[in-house]
Amino acid sequence: AQSVSQHNHHVILSEAASLELGCNYSYGGTVNLFWYVQYPGQHLQLLLKYFSGDPLVKGIKGFEAEFIKSKFSFNLRKPSVQWSDTAEYFCAVMDSSYKLIFGSGTRLLVRP
Amino acid sequence: AAGVIQSPRHLIKEKRETATLKCYPIPRHDTVYWYQQGPGQDPQFLISFYEKMQSDKGSIPDRFSAQQFSDYHSELNMSSLELGDSALYFCASSLEASGRARTGELFFGEGSRLTVL
Repeated sequence: AQSVSQHNHHVILSEAASLELGCNYSYGGTVNLFWYVQYPGQHLQLLLKYFSGDPLVKGIKGFEAEFIKSKFSFNLRKPSVQWSDTAEYFCAVMDSSYKLIFGSGTRLLVRP
Repeated sequence: AAGVIQSPRHLIKEKRETATLKCYPIPRHDTVYWYQQGPGQDPQFLISFYEKMQSDKGSIPDRFSAQQFSDYHSELNMSSLELGDSALYFCASSLEASGRARTGELFFGEGSRLTVL
């Protein structure tokens, strides 16, 4: 079965710092990968997704992620975080039944 | 734009009681997914429906059942509630007929928070 692991459970950054959140998946075949964000008290929102083509994917709010097949990774990055980026970030992979398998999430706290 | 509507937003029940959560997908969406997110945990897939038929089943307890109705809304019924059922229950919808579900275009509702005392 496919699985997703996120290395950092909690990350604390100051505003304007750069962000990189790690995500590794277990499946070796064709994968569809996603990053979702969950702001405090809110629902999951899609940040970006990869299913083919350019391995560097750009999403909303200045986020991007790079699919590195050889490393089974799909790390999320942002060059300069803002206080409003405080949220929980979930990496997810779509399995063969088209449902999402989520990682355990990373809580990001950005200090003003 | 219309989003996925879930009700109730908050629900408090006692052990062994029954609860029903409702999900109204985005208009014209034909697929509904239910996820359970326990405190501090990642969302876990429970069950999904496509065109009113169950399409996939995850880690859903036998005490839970769900269905999708003719108007595409879905209900998750939970019986003999246990303390461990306390969680945020997310519903998501997609339009699978166009193949969008295969690209992860799931739209999530704001969730129903169930507390079992």
